[in-house]
Amino acid sequence: GAGVSQSPSNKVTEKGKDVELRCDPISGHTALYWYRQSLGQGLEFLIYFQGNSAPDKSGLPSDRFSAERTGGSVSTLTIQRTQQEDSAVYLCASSLDPGNSGNTIYFGEGSWLTVV
Amino acid sequence: GENVGLHLPTLSVQEGDNSIINCAYSNSASDYFIWYKQESGKGPQFIIDIRSNMDKRQGQRVTVLLNKTVKHLSLQIAATQPGDSAVYFCAENAISGTYKYIFGTGTRLKVLA
Repeated sequence: GAGVSQSPSNKVTEKGKDVELRCDPISGHTALYWYRQSLGQGLEFLIYFQGNSAPDKSGLPSDRFSAERTGGSVSTLTIQRTQQEDSAVYLCASSLDPGNSGNTIYFGEGSWLTVV
Repeated sequence: GENVGLHLPTLSVQEGDNSIINCAYSNSASDYFIWYKQESGKGPQFIIDIRSNMDKRQGQRVTVLLNKTVKHLSLQIAATQPGDSAVYFCAENAISGTYKYIFGTGTRLKVLA
């Protein structure tokens, strides 16, 4: 697609429920990133995909968080047993191969998650 | 869902004036930098980028200046318009040729009519 597409754009869920957030990157972008943004905070790195593999999952806050990417394209971020502290904007981004310096990261509009 | 940014520094500028937003970056080895604009309720939008082999780069109404000596980046917006109101933040490619970026927390720009 023309840009990074994320769904749902807004999600309100009850504490303890599981949620799935979807990201469709820019066509041809091999690298995909998930970030989290809380109120007044900078972007918190969660996970990076190169193709379908995730060489860096170091930013995932706990084992309740997982992500996968299939077909080198769409990615899903899953949060199990959601907690109130999970409330944030989850931003997906994509870029060409970051092995070439200067590849711009393009962001989607985010999935705004509220856990009540 | 709004990026309220209660503790973000704020720059208030009169409509039509020029705006200068600053960013201090952390890694002297960073070789690529990006400015993003984030409007309320939206994702970050790419504005302009610059590589470390340049000191200045101009776009449409925007100019980015890079001072590697003091690790400082600035974004200049000419003839600021109400639509420029947003949070602006910089990003540095902390390890060249990798996916590792460091993002600033941002500055809120308010355009006064």
